[in-house]
Amino acid sequence: AQTVTQSQPEMSVQEAETVTLSCTYDTSESNYYLFWYKQPPSRQMILVIRQEAYKQQNATENRFSVNFQKAAKSFSLKISDSQLGDTAMYFCAFMKNNNNDMRFGAGTRLTVKP
Amino acid sequence: ETGVTQSPTHLIKTRGQQVTLRCSSQSGHNTVSWYQQALGQGPQFIFQYYREEENGRGNFPPRFSGLQFPNYSSELNVNALELDDSALYLCASSLSQKNIQYFGAGTRLSVL
Repeated sequence: AQTVTQSQPEMSVQEAETVTLSCTYDTSESNYYLFWYKQPPSRQMILVIRQEAYKQQNATENRFSVNFQKAAKSFSLKISDSQLGDTAMYFCAFMKNNNNDMRFGAGTRLTVKP
Repeated sequence: ETGVTQSPTHLIKTRGQQVTLRCSSQSGHNTVSWYQQALGQGPQFIFQYYREEENGRGNFPPRFSGLQFPNYSSELNVNALELDDSALYLCASSLSQKNIQYFGAGTRLSVL
């Protein structure tokens, strides 16, 4: 079974600084997708970034980038130049290539302080 | 905004009752997935519908059932409600079974 672990229940960062959220996963699959979703108090899950396991290059989306270490089964999210609007729960998620069952971690609550 | 809408936003039921939650998918999306998110936890996959057929199911009992309509909107039905069914229920639509999922804002269900 696939499991996703986020070991940091809460984190905080000063505005404009950089923060890294950790995620590890367990799978025997070789082809899969990894995601980071953001859930602000409005409850709507918003896709931050997606990584395809067969791509060695780390995905980036503006201020958001990942460090994907396939052998170590690690998928961390780096947020640069943190903004107050980045305050939210962040969920790491895993989906097998031939499956539709997306598995989520327990989440990390990020607070950006002014 | 993702274009995925869920109704109602909040709902209060008593144990043993039945509930129906609704989801309108983003325009052009033919796949809808449902998730249960208990307080303080990540979402858990309930099931997915693709072109009106169930296309995968998580570890939920049969009293959780669903439908998808020709316009690709979807319903989640829960019978014989239990206290542990209290949660945020999220719907997500995608262009096909394996594409990026776009979430609605959820329905908060409280079972008393």
